[in-house]
Amino acid sequence: DAGITQSPRHKVTETGTPVTLRCHQTENHRYMYWYRQDPGHGLRLIHYSYGVKDTDKGEVSDGYSVSRSKTEDFLLTLESATSSQTSVYFCAISELLNTEAFFGQGTRLTVV
Amino acid sequence: AQSVTQPDIHITVSEGASLELRCNYSYGATPYLFWYVQSPGQGLQLLLKYFSGDTLVQGIKGFEAEFKRSQSSFNLRKPSVHWSDAAEYFCAVVQRPSGGSYIPTFGRGTSLIVHP
Repeated sequence: DAGITQSPRHKVTETGTPVTLRCHQTENHRYMYWYRQDPGHGLRLIHYSYGVKDTDKGEVSDGYSVSRSKTEDFLLTLESATSSQTSVYFCAISELLNTEAFFGQGTRLTVV
Repeated sequence: AQSVTQPDIHITVSEGASLELRCNYSYGATPYLFWYVQSPGQGLQLLLKYFSGDTLVQGIKGFEAEFKRSQSSFNLRKPSVHWSDAAEYFCAVVQRPSGGSYIPTFGRGTSLIVHP
């Protein structure tokens, strides 16, 4: 299995609070992604990174920010969590944009 | 925007029966195509991929998929389903939009239910 660790695995937070999810890889892959998975929507790309300090928006980036200060770490921040951000969040990595992605185990976030 | 369509939300098959899961994408240029499987509570695992060459590709766990350019389709098949195949299946496309960069796009998924 690819070395991808997401933390925390589960989190419950209150509306309006900031939340940071962490993705850590040991594969030295260039590309890292954050997706959210919701019933009926499949996986939707939030943000992705193509190198240290190089990031770009995905399909559903509003309300989210990311940072990548090291190759191995990609952080997803919800500045002020809302109930609509209750979801399962997956981190993925790939060597290139057009190669297969390896996924983490997911983080279940509940905003109450 | 590019899109990936998996028209079947749920499919129910009997163990031992054949399976076909459908996937269509919106772009005309040849994309990079993937099928992933997700077991409950797990992340996604790659089943197979198509980049170029032979349009029939073999994957893990006895799955295969066929790329049909004329139909913009990449359907997943298995000749005999096992109970352990019950899972969520996702089709994914990576293609360069006009003037942009490669962006991975996933379908909404098809949930496979296997009856004994």
